[in-house]
Amino acid sequence: QQQVKQSPQSLIVQKGGISIINCAYENTAFDYFPWYQQFPGKGPALLIAIRPDVSEKKEGRFTISFNKSAKQFSLHIMDSQPGDSATYFCAALGGHDMRFGAGTRLTVKP
Amino acid sequence: EAGVAQSPRYKIIEKRQSVAFWCNPISGHATLYWYQQILGQGPKLLIQFQNNGVVDDSQLPKDRFSAERLKGVDSTLKIQPAKLEDSAVYLCASSPSGGAEQFFGPGTRLTVL
Repeated sequence: QQQVKQSPQSLIVQKGGISIINCAYENTAFDYFPWYQQFPGKGPALLIAIRPDVSEKKEGRFTISFNKSAKQFSLHIMDSQPGDSATYFCAALGGHDMRFGAGTRLTVKP
Repeated sequence: EAGVAQSPRYKIIEKRQSVAFWCNPISGHATLYWYQQILGQGPKLLIQFQNNGVVDDSQLPKDRFSAERLKGVDSTLKIQPAKLEDSAVYLCASSPSGGAEQFFGPGTRLTVL
């Protein structure tokens, strides 16, 4: 059962552009929403995370927008760089149950 | 601080053979996770340990998969016998106390022929 739906599956952005990845969840028991970045041959690494009591969190060029009523959250990467090219996973945690989205492969063209 | 260590990094076996993966979490991390990541999908939790006790193994195919955490530190995941559909990357992660921030190892890529 897919509890976290992520889109798009792949994304190509020009250098300096904005990358936007969207996720939707079903289980209202989720209370922590992290985004992970994964480079080929590496394990996922925590990028940024948000709890549902805030609607937005920004860390450098990365921003999470959270809409609790719609059960949706998104990652915005401002001024995208070729080094941002990776696979991004959203996730949702409730208790000890972490569910991941299917991933978005981001390519930033120079 | 040293990260999560996993070995081997790659393994190729024939179906019906058995295989074992090893994980050494970050020192002091009480919680250890094993995930299965099939190509093109997000990681799926197989089992979670808190110290040396199992917290959640609801998605572990117990007829062929087993895992243990020795003395609440290192962990081993075993598959016996392997099936073609077990081809995936097996990720180990650890966290200080469960939940929030999980630190992942590089994974073991298993190919079952």
